Amino acid sequence: EPEVTQTPSHQVTQMGQEVILRCVPISNHLYFYWYRQILGQKVEFLVSFYNNEISEKSEIFDDQFSVERPDGSNFTLKIRSTKLEDSAMYFCASSAGTRGETQYFGPGTRLLVL
Amino acid sequence: SQQGEEDPQALSIQEGENATMNCSYKTSINNLQWYRQNSGRGLVHLILIRSNEREKHSGRLRVTLDTSKKSSSLLITASRAADTASYFCALGGGADGLTFGKGTHLIIQP
Repeated sequence: EPEVTQTPSHQVTQMGQEVILRCVPISNHLYFYWYRQILGQKVEFLVSFYNNEISEKSEIFDDQFSVERPDGSNFTLKIRSTKLEDSAMYFCASSAGTRGETQYFGPGTRLLVL
Repeated sequence: SQQGEEDPQALSIQEGENATMNCSYKTSINNLQWYRQNSGRGLVHLILIRSNEREKHSGRLRVTLDTSKKSSSLLITASRAADTASYFCALGGGADGLTFGKGTHLIIQP
């Protein structure tokens, strides 16, 4: 069964450093998402992406964040200058459509900012 | 924005018993989804129920939706130790992304 994959599974970085989290969505899906989950808290929507551009973004997704689909398979989340409060689990998801379609989540990348 | 709230926050039952958890919401919806998350792991999609559906089954899972009461329930029958996880209802989707509640943490006692 096709699945969303994410790399790395864990990332430790120093405050102020740039990180890139990578995702490979399910191959025939057209809509891609990033979510984050701070330890012990709710899963929060960050951004949605369709047709090579951002569809929607939450207030969390500030100028420090960017997303890209550099080729036909990868979908990346870049945090330009990490802060301590960026420490969280980051999940990528994809869906075939937006009209209430199921979103399939990857296993997540646990980011720790020191 | 749309948000569901799960109830109870935590539930502990014996293996073999049925587990029921509920989700209440305030806005109109097109559909509602249930997800499971094992500790520290990714979210696994369980069931999507559309606003014109009242009940849906998948294996040992049964989901109901009452749009007049703005509530949904997830029933897990004949629970197993492997069902120990957090369960979330999720609303929205589409370009705005899904909105998750705080979840019900289910513990199945052997």
